[in-house]
Amino acid sequence: AQSVTQPDIHITVSEGASLELRCNYSYGATPYLFWYVQSPGQGLQLLLKYFSGDTLVQGIKGFEAEFKRSQSSFNLRKPSVHWSDAAEYFCAVAPTQGGKLIFGQGTELSVKP
Amino acid sequence: SQTIHQWPATLVQPVGSPLSLECTVEGTSNPNLYWYRQAAGRGLQLLFYSVGIGQISSEVPQNLSASRPQDRQFILSSKKLLLSDSGFYLCAWRRDYGSPLHFGNGTRLTVT
Repeated sequence: AQSVTQPDIHITVSEGASLELRCNYSYGATPYLFWYVQSPGQGLQLLLKYFSGDTLVQGIKGFEAEFKRSQSSFNLRKPSVHWSDAAEYFCAVAPTQGGKLIFGQGTELSVKP
Repeated sequence: SQTIHQWPATLVQPVGSPLSLECTVEGTSNPNLYWYRQAAGRGLQLLFYSVGIGQISSEVPQNLSASRPQDRQFILSSKKLLLSDSGFYLCAWRRDYGSPLHFGNGTRLTVT
């Protein structure tokens, strides 16, 4: 069965520090891959997506993610975190042949001043 | 451009009362529509999805139902709410299975 794992439930980083949020998926082929961000009490906003091609994708708000087929990973990164980045982040996968999006359990990011 | 509207934003209902949450999408036709629930401190649980008018697929057997009376309208209902129905309900749409989901702002439901 397809699954998405975000190993870190909660991460705290200092403002200005770099960030990497981990995402691993289990699927027989390369799926479509997404990262979403959710601020408290809000819906989810799409940060970036990977369909094919360049394995390093750029998103909004200065985020990027790298697809590594050998590791079945799609980690989210940001070189310098801002206090406004504090939120919950969700990784999601969808099979290319059709089917539902599968979400990870989310990683809550806290930013220290 | 496409927009998704979801209401109400917050709702407090007593146990045993009915529920109706509405979601509409503008700027596109024949979207795939979804209802998710997010319990406190937990991830997203897919409740229902619809690929067309009158077509509803249920993911989790429970106290809720969904309907799609019009192409861009998706309604989540319950005849009698339970305490366990409390949570954050999110409506979402996408163009097709290869497209990303776009979410509404959610409804915070508290059943008392």
